[in-house]
Amino acid sequence: EVQLVESGGGLVQPGGSLRLSCAASGFTFSDHYMDWVRQAPGKGLEWVGRSRNKASSYTTRYAASVKGRFTISRDPSKNSLYLQMDSLKTEDTAMYYCARITPNDNGDYIAFDYWGRGTLVTVSS
Amino acid sequence: DIQLTQSPSFLSASVGDRVTITCRASQAITSYLAWFQQKPGKAPKLLIYAASTLQSGVPSRFSGSGSGTEFTLTISSLQPEDFATYYCQQLDTYPLTFGGGTKVEF
Repeated sequence: EVQLVESGGGLVQPGGSLRLSCAASGFTFSDHYMDWVRQAPGKGLEWVGRSRNKASSYTTRYAASVKGRFTISRDPSKNSLYLQMDSLKTEDTAMYYCARITPNDNGDYIAFDYWGRGTLVTVSS
Repeated sequence: DIQLTQSPSFLSASVGDRVTITCRASQAITSYLAWFQQKPGKAPKLLIYAASTLQSGVPSRFSGSGSGTEFTLTISSLQPEDFATYYCQQLDTYPLTFGGGTKVEF
């Protein structure tokens, strides 16, 4: 059974840092792209960034709103995905989800087929 | 960035109704358009990907169609468990973007 479990959320002051983790199980972690998506309280979904798979050297992409402040990484030995968040702003307050991305028959990664339950980050003084 | 505009933002419906939600893109995209359902306090759930492919385990009353800049999600006969918020997402171009959501209410 595929499972994604996020952790590491909490209350942090503006300008502070936080590291989120996403523990994956039930599938071959290195084969899949993995993304972070966030949702501010009462708002819609916002894509944060991506870690491609091992075949793509785990390269990353980011939304403009977090580029230069957030870093996505993986530890394949632990089947874990990370989101290092620095220089946090009040507008980063949100539930953060990790999601698995699965390719179609053409090898295009187009299906966010599994999501974790999320971890809440609150940035406030 | 590609903007996705969903309409309506809110939809009042009854059990058994046929419901259609539209997602319009600010520029033409491939068929890499997905639909999600989200219930309060829960993670989004994938319903449709590649515009019209039903995700495994999703009831057949859900269907997707469209191309270019206009896409639709249809629920053929609304069930009590379908009252939720629905989002479209484009996976054609970075940054990936979501529509603003459509809340389906009783």
